[in-house]
Amino acid sequence: NAGVTQTPKFQVLKTGQSMTLQCAQDMNHNSMYWYRQDPGMGLRLIYYSASEGTTDKGEVPNGYNVSRLNKREFSLRLESAAPSQTSVYFCASRPTGPTGKLFFGSGTQLSVL
Amino acid sequence: GQQLNQSPQSMFIQEGEDVSMNCTSSSIFNTWLWYKQDPGEGPVLLIALYKAGELTSNGRLTAQFGITRKDSFLNISASIPSDVGIYFCAGFDSGYSTLTFGKGTMLLVSP
Repeated sequence: NAGVTQTPKFQVLKTGQSMTLQCAQDMNHNSMYWYRQDPGMGLRLIYYSASEGTTDKGEVPNGYNVSRLNKREFSLRLESAAPSQTSVYFCASRPTGPTGKLFFGSGTQLSVL
Repeated sequence: GQQLNQSPQSMFIQEGEDVSMNCTSSSIFNTWLWYKQDPGEGPVLLIALYKAGELTSNGRLTAQFGITRKDSFLNISASIPSDVGIYFCAGFDSGYSTLTFGKGTMLLVSP
């Protein structure tokens, strides 16, 4: 039972480099989310996809892009990484219905030097 | 945007003590949820509340959905060392399919 799988687990980038964080879920969930977690800031929503083919901005979308490749996969791209994007990134998925129950991946720790 | 105020920010308690934390919002939510995050892992759902006034238990955990729909609390009874972690409250907005999280309560338990 894999649930939500994120890759990579750790990544170090130099300022200006680009990279894509991958996320896949095997629970047939419609909605998927990307959050970032910073000390003392809790979890802040970057982007989400309520269903396959749709994406929407969350609270902190600047500097990021997303792609809902199919129902299973939702990737997050940093086009030109900045030190302010140093954070732990979590992908999550949610089943259909008004439950609010998110299932999280184990996170990607990203450092931008 | 919506904001959740979660308190306390951190707690350091002795094993066996009871713990209480709460969350208040400037907006009404239809669903309140409580998550726990262990070090190095993603948050895991503990309890979900769907009705104003609802009181729900999960083992030693008890949570309530406030009558005003703008607050919730979580109690942990007889704490044990494995309760250590960060506890997050979250409000679900079904209109936008999004959750808003509080900033978390870090719980440390001394054996």
